[in-house]
Amino acid sequence: NAGVMQNPRHLVRRRGQEARLRCSPMKGHSHVYWYRQLPEEGLKFMVYLQKENIIDESGMPKERFSAEFPKEGPSILRIQQVVRGDSAAYFCASSSLQGGDTQYFGPGTRLTVL
Amino acid sequence: GESVGLHLPTLSVQEGDNSIINCAYSNSASDYFIWYKQESGKGPQFIIDIRSNMDKRQGQRVTVLLNKTVKHLSLQIAATQPGDSAVYFCAETSLGGAQKLVFGQGTRLTINP
Repeated sequence: NAGVMQNPRHLVRRRGQEARLRCSPMKGHSHVYWYRQLPEEGLKFMVYLQKENIIDESGMPKERFSAEFPKEGPSILRIQQVVRGDSAAYFCASSSLQGGDTQYFGPGTRLTVL
Repeated sequence: GESVGLHLPTLSVQEGDNSIINCAYSNSASDYFIWYKQESGKGPQFIIDIRSNMDKRQGQRVTVLLNKTVKHLSLQIAATQPGDSAVYFCAETSLGGAQKLVFGQGTRLTINP
């Protein structure tokens, strides 16, 4: 049973470019969460999605950030016009209520903005 | 011993000893707690969880204790091994809501040979 998959693992962008981060949840999981982690800090919640629905985006910056989880395909976290402060590790987690409420994390995407 | 550095608190123990990592959680309404282990360059790895209707839960070499009165959580690792070296985070959430996790600061555990 494959775990949560994220790609790319490393992403380098110049200021002003767009970053697209992908997350494929564990098989059978329909809940996806995105978190951001700065160096030497804990993870901070960004957004919670179910298929085709954003359930809670209270942790998302108001501008430049968006997320989706389409009916088919991976969840996408999109950052437009990136700035240096966006440099961080972005983690996706998935869960299934049927399997309990544990969130299982992917390996993360490390975004570096030059 | 335990110390607070510029960033993460750190804990150093000798291989084979037991270690205890502590966490103070913030929300008295939280009813589900998880410990995660994060190795350098990797995502958080689930270790053990506990619901608020319990005060102790045991896994393989790990035990989680929950004290709701003082909003305190601890992770005990028995007979530590070099592979236990990592940063450990506690996380809390409320099962009735969106179940977004709120992570603690983290503790860096170093196992000395």
